[in-house]
Amino acid sequence: AQSVTQPDIHITVSEGASLELRCNYSYGATPYLFWYVQSPGQGLQLLLKYFSGDTLVQGIKGFEAEFKRSQSSFNLRKPSVHWSDAAEYFCAVVAGGFKTIFGAGTRLFVKA
Amino acid sequence: DAGVTQSPTHLIKTRGQHVTLRCSPISGHKSVSWYQQVLGQGPQFIFQYYEKEERGRGNFPDRFSARQFPNYSSELNVNALLLGDSALYLCASSLAGTEIQPQHFGDGTRLSIL
Repeated sequence: AQSVTQPDIHITVSEGASLELRCNYSYGATPYLFWYVQSPGQGLQLLLKYFSGDTLVQGIKGFEAEFKRSQSSFNLRKPSVHWSDAAEYFCAVVAGGFKTIFGAGTRLFVKA
Repeated sequence: DAGVTQSPTHLIKTRGQHVTLRCSPISGHKSVSWYQQVLGQGPQFIFQYYEKEERGRGNFPDRFSARQFPNYSSELNVNALLLGDSALYLCASSLAGTEIQPQHFGDGTRLSIL
């Protein structure tokens, strides 16, 4: 069965420090992978997506993610975190053409 | 352009009642998906509709139903509400509902069951 695992429930980083959020997926076919961000009381905003090709994808707000098939991972990174990045981050995989499966999310806290 | 709009934003119901949630997709988008997000968890897929036809259904009981109208707006109906139905219900629209089409989410309807 398809699944997405985000091992870290929450992460705290200092403003200006680098960030890496982990995501592992389980899916037999070619995965279509996404990272979304959700601020409190709001819906989800797409940060970036991977369909094929270059395994390092760039997204909005300075985020990037690297697809590693051998590790079934799609980790999200940012070189320098801003206080406004504090939010919940969700990794997702599309299964069967229409069903998006989300991980449980990682809440990011940013300290001054 | 307006994004995905959902109404109402908040709703309080009691057990056993039914509820109807509404969603208007981005103009030009023909696919609408519904998700349930329980506090502290990721969204769970409920339904996807494309061109007024149900394309997929998640692991939810028959108390949950939905439909899509000719203008591509959608309603999610939940009957015989249970305490466990308390959640944020998210609607997302996309152009064609395929995996390569990113979904655009509304801000959700917060449903509380007393």
